[in-house]
Amino acid sequence: IAGITQAPTSQILAAGRRMTLRCTQDMRHNAMYWYRQDLGLGLRLIHYSNTAGTTGKGEVPDGYSVSRANTDDFPLTLASAVPSQTSVYFCASSPQVGQPQHFGDGTRLSIL
Amino acid sequence: QKEVEQNSGPLSVPEGAIASLNCTYSDRVSQSFFWYRQYSGKSPELIMSIYSNGDKEDGRFTAQLNKASQYVSLLIRDSQPSDSATYLCAVNGAGGYQKVTFGTGTKLQVIP
Repeated sequence: IAGITQAPTSQILAAGRRMTLRCTQDMRHNAMYWYRQDLGLGLRLIHYSNTAGTTGKGEVPDGYSVSRANTDDFPLTLASAVPSQTSVYFCASSPQVGQPQHFGDGTRLSIL
Repeated sequence: QKEVEQNSGPLSVPEGAIASLNCTYSDRVSQSFFWYRQYSGKSPELIMSIYSNGDKEDGRFTAQLNKASQYVSLLIRDSQPSDSATYLCAVNGAGGYQKVTFGTGTKLQVIP
């Protein structure tokens, strides 16, 4: 079934630890995005990629990094997790940047 | 001023009534507008896209766009309890770089 796969589904992590959230899509979409969703703040863009090999910063990029080595994969890394990064993380993709987005099921991350 | 604004709700309507969800945006050059539905604990899913002034109908859903007033709305006719969800307005170009910026969403409750 075509779509976006995120892993893990949920994770509890100690502060200071490094964590990579995985995102894979099989729709051959050029654009991919990482959002965090917090109560009352909505979806906030962390990083995006217009096409394989390029990435850009979104609204809240600090503490996060991404890479886009190929079309399908767009991992998000927290180099040293902090409690304020506790959130639900969604990966999304679209055929081109700015077009309707298809979302993965999300990763619920708790930093203690 | 937020780039994309929505009333957080909850908006309560009786079953069978018309639900009207509203969204305003600040960037006059925005070109594409989207409505997503998000059930509690789930990921957002696209329900409507609209690109030009006027109305666009899809089943029980009608999107309305007025670029002069920087206003986009979603009407849900014959509301059903299964329509109870949070509805996110998203605007392409509101955040620059041809990225889509999301509002914080309006929670809709359809009362049986």
